[in-house]
Amino acid sequence: DAGVIQSPRHEVTEMGQEVTLRCKPISGHDYLFWYRQTMMRGLELLIYFNNNVPIDDSGMPEDRFSAKMPNASFSTLKIQPSEPRDSAVYFCASSFHPTTTSGNEQFFGPGTRLTVL
Amino acid sequence: AQSVAQPEDQVNVAEGNPLTVKCTYSVSGNPYLFWYVQYPNRGLQFLLKYITGDNLVKGSYGFEAEFNKSQTSFHLKKPSALVSDSALYFCALRGYGGATNKLIFGTGTLLAVQP
Repeated sequence: DAGVIQSPRHEVTEMGQEVTLRCKPISGHDYLFWYRQTMMRGLELLIYFNNNVPIDDSGMPEDRFSAKMPNASFSTLKIQPSEPRDSAVYFCASSFHPTTTSGNEQFFGPGTRLTVL
Repeated sequence: AQSVAQPEDQVNVAEGNPLTVKCTYSVSGNPYLFWYVQYPNRGLQFLLKYITGDNLVKGSYGFEAEFNKSQTSFHLKKPSALVSDSALYFCALRGYGGATNKLIFGTGTLLAVQP
């Protein structure tokens, strides 16, 4: 398995532009998570999906952020319009359902480093 | 409330010496605990987990962790540190109640191993 795949790996954009981050989870995983990592705030959970349905979006900072999961193998995180304070590394992770014997350790993608100028 | 604490922002150790990265937790039920490692410019990688059973859990790259229920701790250990172990380490706790599918992460501890 190729693991969790994220694209792009790096994104530089100007304030006010729309940004779309993409994620392909590990095949067969039930859950997909979007995180943001910054020096100031550490690792923050933004939103997560179960079987393509958003379950908890309480970590989404504001309405400029939206996430979708149209099918089991693809998710997007969109920021519109982007602002300099959105600059961070965004991670996607996936996992099995927590009641399986494998537990619910999450497998992370390599991240997208976003810079908003 | 469920929480995880990593009391040390940074741990420095000489190569070849044993290392310990500390983690304490707070949860109302039985804890499910995890350790992750993040190398520079990489995503988090799963190291090991405690679900139930033996208090000493062995994981990847020679790391192990000791679960101590009375002290509510889950410290990460390695008998002999390598320079290549230098990275950011995160402790995590599985959520309870309506959040069993979430992991609550600590703030991370930067491990620096000097040659």
